[in-house]
Amino acid sequence: GESVGLHLPTLSVQEGDNSIINCAYSNSASDYFIWYKQESGKGPQFIIDIRSNMDKRQGQRVTVLLNKTVKHLSLQIAATQPGDSAVYFCAENYGGATNKLIFGTGTLLAVQP
Amino acid sequence: GAVVSQHPSRVICKSGTSVKIECRSLDFQATTMFWYRQFPKQSLMLMATSNEGSKATYEQGVEKDKFLINHASLTLSTLTVTSAHPEDSSFYICSARGRRVLGEQKNQPQHFGDGTRLSIL
Repeated sequence: GESVGLHLPTLSVQEGDNSIINCAYSNSASDYFIWYKQESGKGPQFIIDIRSNMDKRQGQRVTVLLNKTVKHLSLQIAATQPGDSAVYFCAENYGGATNKLIFGTGTLLAVQP
Repeated sequence: GAVVSQHPSRVICKSGTSVKIECRSLDFQATTMFWYRQFPKQSLMLMATSNEGSKATYEQGVEKDKFLINHASLTLSTLTVTSAHPEDSSFYICSARGRRVLGEQKNQPQHFGDGTRLSIL
């Protein structure tokens, strides 16, 4: 079936460096994508979203890039901080009647001091 | 804004007990709520979609008689795990999506509660 996958299960970066987390999706009909951050024992926290009619969107220290040609999504975190350590999930929105989210497998971001 | 409260945060109970989990949207009206299950070090698995005032839509493989969902108001949905057994032990997370305001883009993000850790002995 359709699925969203991530290339790297674990990403280790030095504090202050930039982080890039990648995601591949397979449903060409998905029209909305979201990045979530999940800290241990908590629910996912919304970071940033992007609609399929855009290829880039910026937030505070975060940027999401969407490449529909190769069905690729990435999250860039500038000046990574220890508080950024968490699991990051991309999710694609299946449109249609159910309008539900399908989550990727997640990437653990470990920030080294 | 967009705060979702989930209660209780942790439940430990004996096998055979039924457990109710509440999900509330505190500052917005949630026309749709979702229930997920998450195993350690794994992703979120959608169990069911709940629309206010109608029956929930369950994902394939999820027993609707085992996981009872009620969405009686625009701010509250409940998940009841009936006759829970050790294999039902998991992290259950709800999310809510608000009503789309006329003129806004079609998609609205889901906002998540902090989950309920269910442990069945």
